[in-house]
Amino acid sequence: DAMVIQNPRYQVTQFGKPVTLSCSQTLNHNVMYWYQQKSSQAPKLLFHYYDKDFNNEADTPDNFQSRRPNTSFCFLDIRSPGLGDAAMYLCATSRDWLARDTQYFGPGTRLTVL
Amino acid sequence: GQQLNQSPQSMFIQEGEDVSMNCTSSSIFNTWLWYKQDPGEGPVLLIALYKAGELTSNGRLTAQFGITRKDSFLNISASIPSDVGIYFCAGQGAETSGSRLTFGEGTQLTVNP
Repeated sequence: DAMVIQNPRYQVTQFGKPVTLSCSQTLNHNVMYWYQQKSSQAPKLLFHYYDKDFNNEADTPDNFQSRRPNTSFCFLDIRSPGLGDAAMYLCATSRDWLARDTQYFGPGTRLTVL
Repeated sequence: GQQLNQSPQSMFIQEGEDVSMNCTSSSIFNTWLWYKQDPGEGPVLLIALYKAGELTSNGRLTAQFGITRKDSFLNISASIPSDVGIYFCAGQGAETSGSRLTFGEGTQLTVNP
């Protein structure tokens, strides 16, 4: 059974048109993460939520926002997508924010910007 | 941000061969993880290592946490076509970074039938 679910799997948007990606989890984990992954590169952390506390990485552009309305769901909002934002977006979860808490990834959403 | 040095970057092998890849870091980690990513999918956890010197197996996969806590290797024995993908190492627990992952650059594995 899927534990970290991402919808949609493929998303096409137009340059400058806001887009929202969705992630849900059935693990009841406290922490949810959003990563951006470009071709042939490792995932890059954008931000994470510890429960309701939002933690932004220092180099994450303001164009990227996130919402976590409850434990199970987390959303990634891209306010004005540029061509450079085309990438795979990965959601992950972990039980807690401790050094031994394994991160489990979803299948990803492939974003295309036209 | 900081990255781990993962090698080799790519490997082309014949089905049935054994594979070895490794990661090194200038910093100490408390946990080492190995993930596999298939094209168009998210990374899937293969092995997690929590203790320096630990040697752990998962089927045909074996991974070790280096004694210095600055390195780890992953071996795949008797490779099969479905082993194709990108393998990422990741370190966790450096200094005060909590569960944040520091990734290697990935090893692209191709297995010829």
